[in-house]
Amino acid sequence: ETGVTQSPTHLIKTRGQQVTLRCSSQSGHNTVSWYQQALGQGPQFIFQYYREEENGRGNFPPRFSGLQFPNYSSELNVNALELDDSALYLCASSLESATNYGYTFGSGTRLTVV
Amino acid sequence: AQSVTQLGSHVSVSEGALVLLRCNYSSSVPPYLFWYVQYPNQGLQLLLKYTSAATLVKGINDFEAEFKKSETSFHLTKPSAHMSDAAEYFCAVSDSNNNDMRFGAGTRLTVKP
Repeated sequence: ETGVTQSPTHLIKTRGQQVTLRCSSQSGHNTVSWYQQALGQGPQFIFQYYREEENGRGNFPPRFSGLQFPNYSSELNVNALELDDSALYLCASSLESATNYGYTFGSGTRLTVV
Repeated sequence: AQSVTQLGSHVSVSEGALVLLRCNYSSSVPPYLFWYVQYPNQGLQLLLKYTSAATLVKGINDFEAEFKKSETSFHLTKPSAHMSDAAEYFCAVSDSNNNDMRFGAGTRLTVKP
């Protein structure tokens, strides 16, 4: 059973650019949630995808968008990058959308915006 | 909306001593509560979860937590700290009505030899 895989592990972008982060969910999981973890803080919920549809969104602007594919892998896209977007982006997959099923987290993508 | 507060951003214990990490929650509906651990440069690993069954929840690596509704608390304990327990610990809350898991700011545990 493979876990959650995220790519790339590290990324440096310039302010104003666009970035795409990728996540392969754990085998058998149909739900993917994305979190942003700024340095020294807890993770903040960005959005969740369940069976290829957005299923909840946190307090993030529309320039944060996502996709989920038929194999339940997912992408997080961020347009018009700002310096404050520098953070660790975590992907978590779960068997179903409800949080009580428990999330399996990937190791994250460290994004630095300069 | 639900939230959690972790008391103490840093906790330091000696190896073999009791570990106590504090978490208080706020929720208007019965909560689900979680403790996660994060080692450097890694993602979060679930230690244990409370989902309205037994109030004393046992997790991995001898960690446990007790749900106390009267105190709105879900403190994490371990009888005897190991050096390998040094990490960042996050308490999180959600409820059955949504999928938005809210995390606390985290507590960094240091274990001294």
